Order: sequence, then structure tokens, then C-alpha cells
Amino acid sequence: DAGVTQSPTHLIKTRGQQVTLRCSPKSGHDTVSWYQQALGQGPQFIFQYYEEEERQRGNFPDRFSGHQFPNYSSELNVNALLLGDSALYLCASSLAGNSNQPQHFGDGTRLSIL
Amino acid sequence: KQEVTQIPAALSVPEGENLVLNCSFTDSAIYNLQWFRQDPGKGLTSLLLIQSSQREQTSGRLNASLDKSSGRSTLYIAASQPGDSATYLCAVLSKSLRAGGTSYGKLTFGQGTILTVHP
Repeated sequence: DAGVTQSPTHLIKTRGQQVTLRCSPKSGHDTVSWYQQALGQGPQFIFQYYEEEERQRGNFPDRFSGHQFPNYSSELNVNALLLGDSALYLCASSLAGNSNQPQHFGDGTRLSIL
Repeated sequence: KQEVTQIPAALSVPEGENLVLNCSFTDSAIYNLQWFRQDPGKGLTSLLLIQSSQREQTSGRLNASLDKSSGRSTLYIAASQPGDSATYLCAVLSKSLRAGGTSYGKLTFGQGTILTVHP
């Protein structure tokens, strides 16, 4: 039973470019959440997708956008990259309406902006 | 706005010691509280989940307690080992109701406690 998988594992971009990160949820999960973790900090909630719609959003600018596909996988897109976007981006999956089970996290994508 | 604080920020102990990590949160309207472990450069591994109606959960040498009314949780690690060295993160799943009654919670994390257990 595959857990949450994210790709790529590492990415290097320059300022102003755009990037797309991908996430496949754990089998049986239908909700995907994205988090940004800067070095030495706890993860910060970006947004959450369920039934192919953005359901909740954290305090992130519109440069951050996402998508969820019919197979529940998800993408995170970031436009006009800034140096401050350098971070570990984590994807978490869960089953909607089920707070009895923990969210499952992938190993993340390390994004470095030069 | 939910805020989560973890104390201490870092902890270094000799092998075999029992230790306590602390977590506090400002809004008691939560579904659950979770403790995670993160190894350097890796994702998060869920250690324990305590429902808002529960007081504690145990798994092996780990015991987590929850006092929702005071907004506090502790993670107790018994007989620490060098393999326990990692960052420990506390997170609360907040209640958030949407149209139709379905809830979509988001996790709010603390800054983490960096634990080093030396032989």
C-alpha cells in the first residue's frame, strides 16, 4: 500500500520562474493539503483540495495555486518565484470528514531559488 | 487565529533519560492533536494522535497527554535512545465547518523541538 508520494524530490529554480510540484495521496484518501516548511520552522498550511476544489487556504499570495485531479492527485504551482519561496514543500493526504486518523505526509520537495 | 507553541526549542540528553516535550495552543476548538517526528530533510511521521475527547494516548515508549481546556499537551519519551534524535512537531487539527456540514480541518504546527540523545 503506497503512501503519499511527491515529485520531484529536489528542484532548483531562479527568481521569476514558475514551478509545479506533484503529489499522489495515500490509497483510499481523497483530500490533499499542501504545506510550506522554511528551514528551522514548522510547516505552514498553504491550501487544501477536496472534490477537485480548493476548500481552505492559508495566508499565501495568489502566486500559489493548485489543482486536484479526478484520481485525487494534486499539483502545487508557484509563479514569479521569490528567494523567500525556498523551502520544503510537503503534501499530506487524509479522508474527508475522518478526524480519527492522522494525516499522512510525503517526504516533500526541496525547492531552492537562486 | 490558532497559534501553537513548543517548549523547549532544543533539548540534549544522555541516553536512558526520560524526557518531556511541551506544546500549547490558543484555540480549544480542535478535532485532535497530533505529534509528529521529522528526521533531517525528510517528511513527517505521525507518532500519536489524541482526539479532542481523549486525555492521553500511548505507543511503546511514547505517551502523549491532552488538556484541551488549558490548551496544553505533553509528549513523554521513556528511556530515550540515540535513535530518538529528531525534530518533534506538535500540530492541532482545527474545526472548520463549510456548507453542507462537512468539515475540512487544517493542521497548525508548532516550531518543533530538536531532540538530541547522546550515547
